[in-house]
Amino acid sequence: QQQVKQSPQSLIVQKGGISIINCAYENTAFDYFPWYQQFPGKGPALLIAIRPDVSEKKEGRFTISFNKSAKQFSLHIMDSQPGDSATYFCAATPTGAGSYQLTFGKGTKLSVIP
Amino acid sequence: NAGVTQTPKFQVLKTGQSMTLQCAQDMNHNSMYWYRQDPGMGLRLIYYSASEGTTDKGEVPNGYNVSRLNKREFSLRLESAAPSQTSVYFCASRSALAGFYEQYFGPGTRLTVT
Repeated sequence: QQQVKQSPQSLIVQKGGISIINCAYENTAFDYFPWYQQFPGKGPALLIAIRPDVSEKKEGRFTISFNKSAKQFSLHIMDSQPGDSATYFCAATPTGAGSYQLTFGKGTKLSVIP
Repeated sequence: NAGVTQTPKFQVLKTGQSMTLQCAQDMNHNSMYWYRQDPGMGLRLIYYSASEGTTDKGEVPNGYNVSRLNKREFSLRLESAAPSQTSVYFCASRSALAGFYEQYFGPGTRLTVT
């Protein structure tokens, strides 16, 4: 049973456009929602994360929007650049359990074309 | 600091062979994790170690064993490799400090089983 569903699988955006990636979760115990960015041949790296006590978090061109009632969260990349071309993974974990096992979405391959 | 290091970077095994993937972190983190990444499947947790001396199964533990050698090192062993274990393996670590949930990933080991 997939607990974090991510869409789309792939995304092509023009330079300067907005990239939007969506995730939905099922487990109401999840209360930490990170996004990881992965370049080819590299390990994933944390991009931005949110806790459910806020509905939005912004860091530079990257924004997470969080809808607790719908159990959905999304990543918005403003003014997308070719250097943003990578695979993006959403994830979730309950922080009260102690082990902090991340459950990942299946990933979105973003291509930003000049 | 090197962060999380993994060896080897690449490995080709024949079916039935055994091998150990090595992982070390120099960030004094308590928790360590092993994931596998397959195309279109995201990252799936194989085993984790919440602290030195403890290990627990993740989502896909069959065919693997782990050893938390000390606080720095966490190894993954394939006793009898199968083609289904062809994958990219990532090790990650996390601080035990309250409020710190980020997992830091290594560069990965690309394993092919023929």
